[in-house]
Amino acid sequence: DAGVIQSPRHEVTEMGQEVTLRCKPISGHNSLFWYRQTMMRGLELLIYFNNNVPIDDSGMPEDRFSAKMPNASFSTLKIQPSEPRDSAVYFCASTPTGRNTEAFFGQGTRLTVV
Amino acid sequence: RKEVEQDPGPFNVPEGATVAFNCTYSNSASQSFFWYRQDCRKEPKLLMSVYSSGNEDGRFTAQLNRASQYISLLIRDSKLSDSATYLCVVNRAGTYKYIFGTGTRLKVLA
Repeated sequence: DAGVIQSPRHEVTEMGQEVTLRCKPISGHNSLFWYRQTMMRGLELLIYFNNNVPIDDSGMPEDRFSAKMPNASFSTLKIQPSEPRDSAVYFCASTPTGRNTEAFFGQGTRLTVV
Repeated sequence: RKEVEQDPGPFNVPEGATVAFNCTYSNSASQSFFWYRQDCRKEPKLLMSVYSSGNEDGRFTAQLNRASQYISLLIRDSKLSDSATYLCVVNRAGTYKYIFGTGTRLKVLA
């Protein structure tokens, strides 16, 4: 298995532009998570899906952020409009069904908003 | 107060030393506990799960104290390759939510 695949690996964009981050979870995994990591705040859970349904989006910072999971093999995180304070590494992770299971992370997207 | 708290470090230790990290969690209903390792500019990866009775994996020992709401990680005979950030992770009961601590940086010196 190729693991969790994220794209792009790096993104540099200008303030005000729309940014779309993509994630392909491991086949057969039922839960998908989007995290944001910064030096100041560490890894913050933004939103998670179970069986393609958003379960908890309380970590989404504001209305500029949105996430979708149209099917079991694809999810997007969109920021519109982007701001410099959105600069961070965004990780996607997936887990199989069950609670005491390992979360597998993608390699992350390093976003810089200038 | 954060739900999962760790000392950020850094812990600088010589090769061969024993080092221990603690992590506290605030939600008493937390159900599952893990230690993840993150190398610089890489994604987090599972180091070990933490079981109620404590568990060991080679040079690594994890303990859980539910009464005091903390988990610990002990690394014996530190290697240079152990240098990384160690993340404490808690899974909230009744959810699939994995809450990460901000991590503890370890640097093993030659």
